[in-house]
Amino acid sequence: EAGVVQSPRYKIIEKKQPVAFWCNPISGHNTLYWYRQNLGQGPELLIRYENEEAVDDSQLPKDRFSAERLKGVDSTLKIQPAELGDSAVYLCASTLGIARGDEQFFGPGTRLTVL
Amino acid sequence: DQQVKQNSPSLSVQEGRISILNCDYTNSMFDYFLWYKKYPAEGPTFLISISSIKDKNEDGRFTVFLNKSAKHLSLHIVPSQPGDSAVYFCAASIGGSQGNLIFGKGTKLSVKP
Repeated sequence: EAGVVQSPRYKIIEKKQPVAFWCNPISGHNTLYWYRQNLGQGPELLIRYENEEAVDDSQLPKDRFSAERLKGVDSTLKIQPAELGDSAVYLCASTLGIARGDEQFFGPGTRLTVL
Repeated sequence: DQQVKQNSPSLSVQEGRISILNCDYTNSMFDYFLWYKKYPAEGPTFLISISSIKDKNEDGRFTVFLNKSAKHLSLHIVPSQPGDSAVYFCAASIGGSQGNLIFGKGTKLSVKP
């Protein structure tokens, strides 16, 4: 079974440029999460989707970050414009979301460097 | 304010011995706790979990203990193997595994041959 797929794996951009990350969750997983992991920290939730609906985006900096999950399958996270402090690993995770005990499966992440 | 705390940034253990990783939390509403393991350049991988109605869960070499009164959980790895060397994240949620996970900062475990 294929895991959570993310692309690109690495991205280097200059500040004020836009950037987008893509995630394809495990087939059949209804719930999708985007996390940001800063150096030396644990992952922090940015947004959570149940199918195509964003059910929790309270931690998403909406002035520059946006996300979408059209058709309730794959998802895109965008930053425009990027700032130096956005340098981090952006992780996507998914889960069936049916029962307690369905753990979240993480993708390998996209490492973003903003110069 | 960190709700999930892993106060030891690193731990070094000899192969074959026990590794004990600790985690403290402050929010008494957390009802589900998980441990994830992370290798460099990979995403976190689920290791083991425990519901707040239990005080112990075991899976092979891995055992998680939960002390609700102390708001403390620990992960025991016995015996430790060099392949266990990784960063271990403690996470907690409200509403089971579907709840939003709050992660600690992680503990880097090194198992020396």
